[in-house]
Amino acid sequence: SYELTQPPSVSVSPGQTASIACSGDKLGDKYACWYQQKPGQSPVLVIYQNNKRPSGIPERFSGSNSGNTATLTISGTQAMDEADYYCQAWDSSFSYVFGTGTKVTVL
Amino acid sequence: EVQLLESGGGLVQPGGSLRLSCAASGFTFSSYGMSWVRQAPGKGLEWVSSISGSGGSTYYADSVKGRFTISRDNSKSTLYLQMNSLRAEDTAVYYCGRRAGNTVPTKYFDSWGQGTLVTVSS
Repeated sequence: SYELTQPPSVSVSPGQTASIACSGDKLGDKYACWYQQKPGQSPVLVIYQNNKRPSGIPERFSGSNSGNTATLTISGTQAMDEADYYCQAWDSSFSYVFGTGTKVTVL
Repeated sequence: EVQLLESGGGLVQPGGSLRLSCAASGFTFSSYGMSWVRQAPGKGLEWVSSISGSGGSTYYADSVKGRFTISRDNSKSTLYLQMNSLRAEDTAVYYCGRRAGNTVPTKYFDSWGQGTLVTVSS
């Protein structure tokens, strides 16, 4: 099976930069996206096709994907960014694969 | 505005059946592939099943293959998930999601419903 691994948690101070890694075999050859999920809410797409932002998503969210790692970066992190974040890729053999999820805490 | 509204969740005994529905509005339903994604309590997201816009192609995770059936009624803009032989490990919030497009770069979910809770317990 194809697996995407994320750190369980990331802590960041308000105004600082948070980076969340998503690791998978040759992930850079695939398209990665990221979802934000706040407690009790549905996931929301924040990055698609590695580095594109849907309309309405703040510019402080950015993404990259190379080698075996995709990265979500939140610049100037705000308290409202505290949430769980999931990466996702599509694999021709295993269909939609989600990362293990990362809880971002804004201290 | 795209809206997806799931229904049909509830408490069911192990071995029982349940049918989930997802009513869509705000877009041309038949033009989009749709999927079900679930999230067990306190756990991460897990893809369950997908269906093409026409309904002619369906896909399942190994964990549900042979037990769950995805379908759609484009005349009603509604997606379904028939769940049979339910197990305790199927307990989760089930979300329907709209796939952004039909090509590899668009295989992600740009809209999600609010979810419906399925609890399998005796």
